[in-house]
Amino acid sequence: AQSVTQPDIHITVSEGASLELRCNYSYGATPYLFWYVQSPGQGLQLLLKYFSGDTLVQGIKGFEAEFKRSQSSFNLRKPSVHWSDAAEYFCAGGPRSNTGKLIFGQGTTLQVKP
Amino acid sequence: GAGVSQSPRYKVAKRGQDVALRCDPISGHVSLFWYQQALGQGPEFLTYFQNEAQLDKSGLPSDRFFAERPEGSVSTLKIQRTQQEDSAVYLCASRLTELNTEAFFGQGTRLTVV
Repeated sequence: AQSVTQPDIHITVSEGASLELRCNYSYGATPYLFWYVQSPGQGLQLLLKYFSGDTLVQGIKGFEAEFKRSQSSFNLRKPSVHWSDAAEYFCAGGPRSNTGKLIFGQGTTLQVKP
Repeated sequence: GAGVSQSPRYKVAKRGQDVALRCDPISGHVSLFWYQQALGQGPEFLTYFQNEAQLDKSGLPSDRFFAERPEGSVSTLKIQRTQQEDSAVYLCASRLTELNTEAFFGQGTRLTVV
């Protein structure tokens, strides 16, 4: 069965520290992969996406993610976290036939300490 | 409009009551998706429209859930005889065309069944 797993439910980092949020996927074929951010009471905002080509993708707000086929992973990274990055982060995968039909992970809540 | 608009933002329903949730997609967007997000979980796919055609309703949890998009623009998600397990945030997303890769999400409707 297709699935997206985010192993870390909650992560706390200090402001200015680096961040890595983990995401693993299980698909029959390489899916399209996305990272979304959701602030309280808000909808989902797309941070970045991977379809093909360069396995290191850059997104908005200084985020990047690396697709690793051998590890079935698509981890999100940021070199220096800002207090405004505190939010919930969702990894999602979608079939190449319909990129809007996404399977989401459970989400990782990021807390930023001053 | 500037973004995907959903109404109402909050809805409290008594168990057994019928509810209707509205989604106004971005003007001109062909594809429309509904997702259900339970508390502490990632969104789960419910259904997908291309224009007025409902092409995929595989995620609708029961026959109490019904969605329509009669003119290929505004969509309504209807839940009949609501139950407590229907309490969730219902997210709508739209995408410009089938070839596009990014779907834009609304802020959601939080449904609480009491």
